[in-house]
Amino acid sequence: QKEVEQNSGPLSVPEGAIASLNCTYSDRGSQSFFWYRQYSGKSPELIMFIYSNGDKEDGRFTAQLNKASQYVSLLIRDSQPSDSATYLCAVMRREYGNKLVFGAGTILRVKS
Amino acid sequence: GAGVSQSPSNKVTEKGKDVELRCDPISGHTALYWYRQRLGQGLEFLIYFQGNSAPDKSGLPSDRFSAERTGESVSTLTIQRTQQEDSAVYLCASSLQTGIYTGELFFGEGSRLTVL
Repeated sequence: QKEVEQNSGPLSVPEGAIASLNCTYSDRGSQSFFWYRQYSGKSPELIMFIYSNGDKEDGRFTAQLNKASQYVSLLIRDSQPSDSATYLCAVMRREYGNKLVFGAGTILRVKS
Repeated sequence: GAGVSQSPSNKVTEKGKDVELRCDPISGHTALYWYRQRLGQGLEFLIYFQGNSAPDKSGLPSDRFSAERTGESVSTLTIQRTQQEDSAVYLCASSLQTGIYTGELFFGEGSRLTVL
């Protein structure tokens, strides 16, 4: 079982719609959860992080965490073509330092 | 520097040769990470440094891979006797803090390695 699992996609949504990206993780001891965005040919950049169960909103982005279900998601409201990218879920546990483990990523395509 | 700097940006080598990849983290960042990203794949964790120590080397694929960090700054990833499956983009990232609430890694542009 992979430590962090994501549907590879591509997930296609029309412009203006809500995009929902999902991630599950295997280690119940995981403490911190992150969403990174990676444009083609570029390096990842942090979008959001979440530590506590529930929702966290930042502009058009909402991260949701359910530790009991070992599930974290990212919602993108009013999706724009510029949101088209690969979204990487990452999980951290304070073991041997702070190893940040990434999922394989979900490709999002927003069609105008 | 202003950001994480990696060199070389591109490296083409022949199978069996050794390569060194360099990472200059953001000044003052105590944590430094190396990841490998094969074409169309996710980020594969290789090694993590806290200061000059590597608490977690579990991701190094084989004993052909090694890494070091000196002066809590520059890090070098060395791949000996390269194989074609080593072809990938090697990403370095640094982070300011190491508490459990840390996760903002700043990535370099990567070193693209092609082994012929």
